[in-house]
Amino acid sequence: SYDLTQPPAVSVSPGQTATITCSGDVLAKHYVYWYQQKPGQAPVLMMYKDTVRPSGIPERFSGSSSGTTVTLTISGVQAEDEADYYCQSADNSGTYVFGTGTTVTVL
Amino acid sequence: EVRLVESGGGLVQPGGSLRLSCVASGFNVNTNYMTWVRQAPGKGLEWVSVISSGGTTHYADSVKGRFIISKDNSKNTVYLQMNTLKAEDTAFYFCARVAPAYDAHYFDYWGPGTLVTVSS
Repeated sequence: SYDLTQPPAVSVSPGQTATITCSGDVLAKHYVYWYQQKPGQAPVLMMYKDTVRPSGIPERFSGSSSGTTVTLTISGVQAEDEADYYCQSADNSGTYVFGTGTTVTVL
Repeated sequence: EVRLVESGGGLVQPGGSLRLSCVASGFNVNTNYMTWVRQAPGKGLEWVSVISSGGTTHYADSVKGRFIISKDNSKNTVYLQMNTLKAEDTAFYFCARVAPAYDAHYFDYWGPGTLVTVSS
């Protein structure tokens, strides 16, 4: 098995930029996928293959990658972006793993 | 429209068994990979198991040997048989579809989840 590490919490004022990192050795060879989860709801895919935004996801969400760290950036944060965010990856053995999760708080 | 609906959750004693079902609509489970993800109350997401279109299965170490994923293509339904349940298996269990794209290893549609509580 392998681990993906995220900061537990990120706080940001409306209109500012939030950055959420996901780190793990496996990320040097495998993509990361990002999900947003609001209380009582199922997760929603926000980014795939590190940097690709699914249709319907606002342009203020973007992704980047460098070595073993992948970053989800929310530019111009809005109150509705307050949620938990999880990264996820997969290895060649057919198993998947989620990151530890980051709670984004909009001040 | 793609839709996933889980059922079968409930209260079970430690050491007991439970079978979860996930009924899919809007696509065929026989041509897709399907997965189960769980989330203990107030905790993060944990991947549990996956079944390929051909029936190959994989499990997280935490459930290997106790849980069995299967599917019935005629009912377009995926199952998770959970045996020898422990208190730490208490969680919301989500069914999800693995995106049907080349080299896709993410989950594009999720069900609302079903709660499993293991307690005496």
